[in-house]
Amino acid sequence: DTAVSQTPKYLVTQMGNDKSIKCEQNLGHDTMYWYKQDSKKFLKIMFSYNNKELIINETVPNRFSPKSPDKAHLNLHINSLELGDSAVYFCASSPRTGQLGYTFGSGTRLTVV
Amino acid sequence: QKEVEQNSGPLSVPEGAIASLNCTYSDRGSQSFFWYRQYSGKSPELIMFIYSNGDKEDGRFTAQLNKASQYVSLLIRDSQPSDSATYLCAVINGNQFYFGTGTSLTVIP
Repeated sequence: DTAVSQTPKYLVTQMGNDKSIKCEQNLGHDTMYWYKQDSKKFLKIMFSYNNKELIINETVPNRFSPKSPDKAHLNLHINSLELGDSAVYFCASSPRTGQLGYTFGSGTRLTVV
Repeated sequence: QKEVEQNSGPLSVPEGAIASLNCTYSDRGSQSFFWYRQYSGKSPELIMFIYSNGDKEDGRFTAQLNKASQYVSLLIRDSQPSDSATYLCAVINGNQFYFGTGTSLTVIP
């Protein structure tokens, strides 16, 4: 039973398209996150939600819009995809604001062509 | 200056040796420190966390924290080929979680 699940695992799409990535956690955690990992393996936070409320919104193009319908789900919608958006996107969750570490989803490898 | 700095490696050690991975952080107010292991093509997996100065041991892994020097390290004893991965250091300050760029470790059989 996967603790943090993301779909899809792979996403190949053309520039200019709009796509969504979904994330669900069954750990009962209050806080969920989206991270972007670039080709150099650097993990950078994009958004953080605590109990459906946005608490961290790093400098991310407004083409990226997170949505949290409930505390178990955090989706990421990306408009007008660009080549530079190609990366692995990880969803993660934690019991509170990260004090006990994060549990990561398996990642979504996005390739924009 | 980055919040968390790690030597990117690669670090190579022979099987059975001790692997030593180091991390420094810039914000003296940082509170909690984590080590994640990430196999190629996989997601990061939490292996250790430490809050207090000193050593914390868990099996073959020992985390060491020195807040005065703003330094946290991970020692892997009796290294195995299955330990070959990228090790990410992470630091919490307030509600911000910062990752280092990771150190690539290769254990040579």
